Amino acid sequence: EPEVTQTPSHQVTQMGQEVILRCVPISNHLYFYWYRQILGQKVEFLVSFYNNEISEKSEIFDDQFSVERPDGSNFTLKIRSTKLEDSAMYFCASGRVGKLFFGSGTQLSVL
Amino acid sequence: AQSVTQPDIHITVSEGASLELRCNYSYGATPYLFWYVQSPGQGLQLLLKYFSGDTLVQGIKGFEAEFKRSQSSFNLRKPSVHWSDAAEYFCAVGDGGQAGTALIFGKGTTLSVSS
Repeated sequence: EPEVTQTPSHQVTQMGQEVILRCVPISNHLYFYWYRQILGQKVEFLVSFYNNEISEKSEIFDDQFSVERPDGSNFTLKIRSTKLEDSAMYFCASGRVGKLFFGSGTQLSVL
Repeated sequence: AQSVTQPDIHITVSEGASLELRCNYSYGATPYLFWYVQSPGQGLQLLLKYFSGDTLVQGIKGFEAEFKRSQSSFNLRKPSVHWSDAAEYFCAVGDGGQAGTALIFGKGTTLSVSS
């Protein structure tokens, strides 16, 4: 079965540093998403991406966040200057109407 | 406001016993409803979904859920729980009319299975 892959599985960074989380969506999917889950809290939507542009974003997705599809296969989430509260599990997803496939996540720890 | 409520934070059931996980939603448009399961260290796996039609939907791993519009509920059930079902379960709602829009998740219910 096709799957969404995310790298790295764990990322530790210092506060103020930039991080890039990488995702390879399922190849024939058109919509791509980032969600995050702070420890003990619900899964929260960050951003959706279609046709090389952001289609929707949440209040969480402020100017320090950006997404990019640099080539035909990768979908990245960049956090420019990480804060302690950015520590979370970040999930990438891809899909079509009504069905999302999630990756296994990148655990980001900001120290 | 759009929201999903899972009233039970943690449930423990005996192996072989039946299970019901509750989910209530508040959503202005016609909702698409989902149940996802998250095992430790894993991503979110879709168990089942409801778009329209028969209000009792069957999913993977022997799970089913019933959509009750009058109660704004979409409870997940399984007649006989296995130890491997221990995981975090998330109910989610989305706008079925627009692809690419966000899913709204509940806070999740942790299921423990005792032997």
